[in-house]
Amino acid sequence: AQSVTQLGSHVSVSEGALVLLRCNYSSSVPPYLFWYVQYPNQGLQLLLKYTSAATLVKGINGFEAEFKKSETSFHLTKPSAHMSDAAEYFCAVSDRPRGSTLGRLYFGRGTQLTVWP
Amino acid sequence: DADVTQTPRNRITKTGKRIMLECSQTKGHDRMYWYRQDPGLGLRLIYYSFDVKDINKGEISDGYSVSRQAQAKFSLSLESAIPNQTALYFCATSDTGTATDTQYFGPGTRLTVL
Repeated sequence: AQSVTQLGSHVSVSEGALVLLRCNYSSSVPPYLFWYVQYPNQGLQLLLKYTSAATLVKGINGFEAEFKKSETSFHLTKPSAHMSDAAEYFCAVSDRPRGSTLGRLYFGRGTQLTVWP
Repeated sequence: DADVTQTPRNRITKTGKRIMLECSQTKGHDRMYWYRQDPGLGLRLIYYSFDVKDINKGEISDGYSVSRQAQAKFSLSLESAIPNQTALYFCATSDTGTATDTQYFGPGTRLTVL
């Protein structure tokens, strides 16, 4: 079965500091991996996704994530936090086998990012 | 206009009432999903539909039912609402053809059951 663990339900950083949000996954198939962001009172928005091409994936708003198969990790980073990055972030894994049309996403519990001025 | 819309955006109801949450999409996607979000629990899948004739239960389908009226419409019903169904509900869509299961979310419906 697929699952996602996000380490740290709350992360606080100062504006300009490095952002690191951790995500570990388990998957019985080569995974597709996702990071979504949820701003207050909004739905989830796709930040970036890993689909087995480059292991370092760049997303919107300066975020990037690195797929590390040996560590079963897909941590999200941003070199310099901005106040507007304050939001909740969700990691997700797909269980779709390559070549199959069946699959769904499994979400982690989320990490709330606070950015201090 | 938003690609995935949900109505209503907010709803307060009483225990025992039947309510329906509606989702419509203009993305042309074949797959649709209903999730609920509770603080600290992330998103949990209630039901999903891979096409109009295919409906599947998720992890927490008890107390809920769904209807896929058309490719673009997917409704969630609470037959007899109870207070622990108070949550934020999201509809999402995806396209089989993309092969990656990227999902696109609506803005959510905040439901309060008194």
